[in-house]
Amino acid sequence: GQNIDQPTEMTATEGAIVQINCTYQTSGFNGLFWYQQHAGEAPTFLSYNVLDGLEEKGRFSSFLSRSKGYSYLLLKELQMKDSASYLCAVLDSNYQLIWGAGTKLIIKP
Amino acid sequence: NAGVTQTPKFRILKIGQSMTLQCTQDMNHNYMYWYRQDPGMGLKLIYYSVGAGITDKGEVPNGYNVSRSTTEDFPLRLELAAPSQTSVYFCASTLSRSGSIYEQYFGPGTRLTVT
Repeated sequence: GQNIDQPTEMTATEGAIVQINCTYQTSGFNGLFWYQQHAGEAPTFLSYNVLDGLEEKGRFSSFLSRSKGYSYLLLKELQMKDSASYLCAVLDSNYQLIWGAGTKLIIKP
Repeated sequence: NAGVTQTPKFRILKIGQSMTLQCTQDMNHNYMYWYRQDPGMGLKLIYYSVGAGITDKGEVPNGYNVSRSTTEDFPLRLELAAPSQTSVYFCASTLSRSGSIYEQYFGPGTRLTVT
């Protein structure tokens, strides 16, 4: 079956750096997405990776290794507003998004 | 642009009742999706549509129906509501099925409780 694994919860300090990992096993691969979801709100797009390597976008970066079925989202200079859930999703061979359960990130002052 | 809009925001249903969740997008996206999100779980695809008049089942379609008569609207129908359908429902749309423009735009969600 198809499976995406992420840690359930992580805690970090304001101003620090945190890395959220995602491993996946899917039928086919057409890209990996990271979304941010604040409590009670809809997910919003953060990043997309389809080739191996690091994509940087401001304070956020996303890395992909297709051979290892692995990605991470790196958040730098953490701010309190970064407290949210971070969802990893893989676009499979049928162009359907398979979603992980999300990682709840708690930022402490 | 309003993006993706959903109504209602909240609803409480009794077991066996029916209702329609409305979803409208004004971005001229061909692809539209209905997801449900249970607490602590990932999004599960209920139904999707690749264009007006075309719909298909996702991972968890039982107990639901959809229609797509226009590009803009994609309503989700719940027949004979059951407690297992208590969830948050998100509608989403996208311009393309591949590449970075596959970014999905989500509506604000409908929080449904069936008691």
